[in-house]
Amino acid sequence: GNSVTQMEGPVTLSEEAFLTINCTYTATGYPSLFWYVQYPGEGLQLLLKATKADDKGSNKGFEATYRKETTSFHLEKGSVQVSDSAVYFCALSEGNKLVFGAGTILRVKS
Amino acid sequence: NAGVTQTPKFQVLKTGQSMTLQCAQDMNHNSMYWYRQDPGMGLRLIYYSASEGTTDKGEVPNGYNVSRLNKREFSLRLESAAPSQTSVYFCASRRDPPGTDTQYFGPGTRLTVL
Repeated sequence: GNSVTQMEGPVTLSEEAFLTINCTYTATGYPSLFWYVQYPGEGLQLLLKATKADDKGSNKGFEATYRKETTSFHLEKGSVQVSDSAVYFCALSEGNKLVFGAGTILRVKS
Repeated sequence: NAGVTQTPKFQVLKTGQSMTLQCAQDMNHNSMYWYRQDPGMGLRLIYYSASEGTTDKGEVPNGYNVSRLNKREFSLRLESAAPSQTSVYFCASRRDPPGTDTQYFGPGTRLTVL
């Protein structure tokens, strides 16, 4: 079946550091890819998405590019803030369902 | 719009007790979902409903039942709670394609079974 693998956390960075969270997937066909973010005590919010190969999703300074050749959708941000501290989930679409990775905790220190 | 709402926010049960988690959405979405979130395991799908009157099992349905009461509401029932069902439960909804396959999530219910 389809699956998503994310880098294990927690990832701890200082404010203004560069962020990369790796995500790779296994899927039949060409699913849509997503990054969701979960702030402490809240539900998941869509951060960005990409629906086909070479698409770049972006939002709030975060970016991810759909790479079919490497089956990856890595999340990047050039300069993180304390307010970015959260859990980040990579996911892919499977019909009318989503398949999630295990999540990566990000902690940003001031 | 309130989006997706869930009640209760917190619940503590004893083993063997029953309860129903409520979910409602006001976005006129056809599809609704129930997930559980456990540390290190991401979100796992329990049940989903593609439309009013239909429900389907997800990855981890054992020990749960669901009811799609109408287009707005999708409830999750634990008939005889077990400690293994201690988790955070999220409801989500999705507008049918074309246009988007994005799911929108509620704030969650934190359930502890003693």
